Amino acid sequence: DVKVTQSSRYLVKRTGEKVFLECVQDMDHENMFWYRQDPGLGLRLIYFSYDVKMKEKGDIPEGYSVSREKKERFSLILESASTNQTSMYLCASSSSGDYGYTFGSGTRLTVV
Amino acid sequence: GNSVTQMEGPVTLSEEAFLTINCTYTATGYPSLFWYVQYPGEGLQLLLKATKADDKGSNKGFEATYRKETTSFHLEKGSVQVSDSAVYFCALESRYQLIWGAGTKLIIKP
Repeated sequence: DVKVTQSSRYLVKRTGEKVFLECVQDMDHENMFWYRQDPGLGLRLIYFSYDVKMKEKGDIPEGYSVSREKKERFSLILESASTNQTSMYLCASSSSGDYGYTFGSGTRLTVV
Repeated sequence: GNSVTQMEGPVTLSEEAFLTINCTYTATGYPSLFWYVQYPGEGLQLLLKATKADDKGSNKGFEATYRKETTSFHLEKGSVQVSDSAVYFCALESRYQLIWGAGTKLIIKP
């Protein structure tokens, strides 16, 4: 069964910590995406990547960075976590020939 | 620019009722259109899609028809179940990305 796997379902971190959210896909997809989801705000794109070592800013990149050293792995980094980054984070991947996304189960991050 | 507008929720229905969730879009050309579903505490799952005008996507009793005349892709189901309670997202493809609607929460009461 093909899938996108996010390393943690729930995470609690302290303000100022550096946080890594990992996402791995086994479908050989070219494209990978990081979203955050907040009540009333829908899905907001943070960063995306079309290929290894490629990255593009989405709508809300401030306070985040990403890394894609291997095709199957796309990491989201919170350089210095803040309470306003408490959210549900969703990773997705897609093939360039088919724009349907496959999503991971999400990571609910709480910054205290 | 491209955009997707969904009806606001929550939508509350009784079991076995008929469901319509409206979705309209603004886009150049004829992008592929999608419906995704998110069950509580989970990520999003592709429910159905349509890649060209007049196509009908269907899955699990849900249907949506790509209407270019009305720029719409409304989601319908003839008889909903409690297990259909979820958030539903309409989306369109735009330059390798998906543009998302705000989501519509559906609540089905027994």
